[in-house]
Amino acid sequence: KNQVEQSPQSLIILEGKNCTLQCNYTVSPFSNLRWYKQDTGRGPVSLTIMTFSENTKSNGRYTATLDADTKQSSLHITASQLSDSASYICVVRGNRAAGNKLTFGGGTRVLVKP
Amino acid sequence: EAQVTQNPRYLITVTGKKLTVTCSQNMNHEYMSWYRQDPGLGLRQIYYSMNVEVTDKGDVPEGYKVSRKEKRNFPLILESPSPNQTSLYFCASSRRDTTGELFFGEGSRLTVL
Repeated sequence: KNQVEQSPQSLIILEGKNCTLQCNYTVSPFSNLRWYKQDTGRGPVSLTIMTFSENTKSNGRYTATLDADTKQSSLHITASQLSDSASYICVVRGNRAAGNKLTFGGGTRVLVKP
Repeated sequence: EAQVTQNPRYLITVTGKKLTVTCSQNMNHEYMSWYRQDPGLGLRQIYYSMNVEVTDKGDVPEGYKVSRKEKRNFPLILESPSPNQTSLYFCASSRRDTTGELFFGEGSRLTVL
């Protein structure tokens, strides 16, 4: 069964510090992986997409990495801000042979404190 | 402005009283889907639609119905709501290609008493 596991479930960091979120998946065959940010009470919004051939991609202070061999991805937040307080969801898409099916991780809840 | 619109945003109802949550998108997306989000369980897919008149069950379809008569609309129907359907519901849409980014609505918080 395809699974996406995220860790930690939650974390608290001080404003200005860095943090790294992990996403491990078993989805195969793999097409791509997206990280979404979900502010409290809002719908998730895409931060970045990683395809099979990409190792690293940045979007402002967010940097995602992908190791397709070990089926692991990480999201690194640099110089955290209060507005980074949110849940971060890893979503993995299977390829066409797998029906392009999406598998969602349980999310990591990040709280940035001043 | 490109958006996915859900209504109502908040609803309290009683067991057995049929209700419909509407979802509309203005991006001409082929793919639409419904999710429920519960504490500790993340987003779980209820139903999805690859195009007009094409719908399929997701991971947790029991107790729900959907229809896709028009490309822009994808209503979620609870024929006889029960308390275990109390949840936060999200509608989303995307292009059909394999990189399709999901665009989510603002969510509908449903409480069934």
